[in-house]
Amino acid sequence: AQSVTQLDSQVPVFEEAPVELRCNYSSSVSVYLFWYVQYPNQGLQLLLKYLSGSTLVKGINGFEAEFNKSQTSFHLRKPSVHISDTAEYFCAVSGGGSGTYKYIFGTGTRLKVLA
Amino acid sequence: DTGVSQDPRHKITKRGQNVTFRCDPISEHNRLYWYRQTLGQGPEFLTYFQNEAQLEKSRLLSDRFSAERPKGSFSTLEIQRTEQGDSAMYLCASSPRGWDSLWTEAFFGQGTRLTVV
Repeated sequence: AQSVTQLDSQVPVFEEAPVELRCNYSSSVSVYLFWYVQYPNQGLQLLLKYLSGSTLVKGINGFEAEFNKSQTSFHLRKPSVHISDTAEYFCAVSGGGSGTYKYIFGTGTRLKVLA
Repeated sequence: DTGVSQDPRHKITKRGQNVTFRCDPISEHNRLYWYRQTLGQGPEFLTYFQNEAQLEKSRLLSDRFSAERPKGSFSTLEIQRTEQGDSAMYLCASSPRGWDSLWTEAFFGQGTRLTVV
């Protein structure tokens, strides 16, 4: 079975500082990986995705993530955060060759950007 | 607006009552998902449709929950005899079939927040 672990439940960071949100996944087969952002009382919005190809994936709002198969990780990074980046971030995994199309989410990381 | 639409956005109901939520996916998206999200948690998979066929159901989906997608367009999620533990955000998402049948991302609606009192 697939699973996702987000190691940090909350990450406070000062504005204009870099940030890394960690995500590890568990799967015995190849996977597809996603990062979503959720603002209060809103649905989820896709930040970026890894399906295949280059392991460094660039997304919206200046975010990027690197797929590391050996470490089964897909950490999200941004070199300089803004107040507006304050939100909940979810890592998700899908695929696996079993024919299932569902997305499995982690428990989320709350990013709080401080002025 | 051509995004995923959910109705209602908020629902307050008394314990024991039945509720029904509606989801209108993005046009021509053949996959539709229902998730449940409680405070401080990530979305939990409930069920998934490919066109009108319900292909997978989570064990979380007790027999009080039923979902339909007639004609492969909009979907409804019904909860019978609601319990306080059903209080959550119910999220609907849709995704298209990729050009090479690979996964693409799921597009989420704004959710329906259910409060059972």
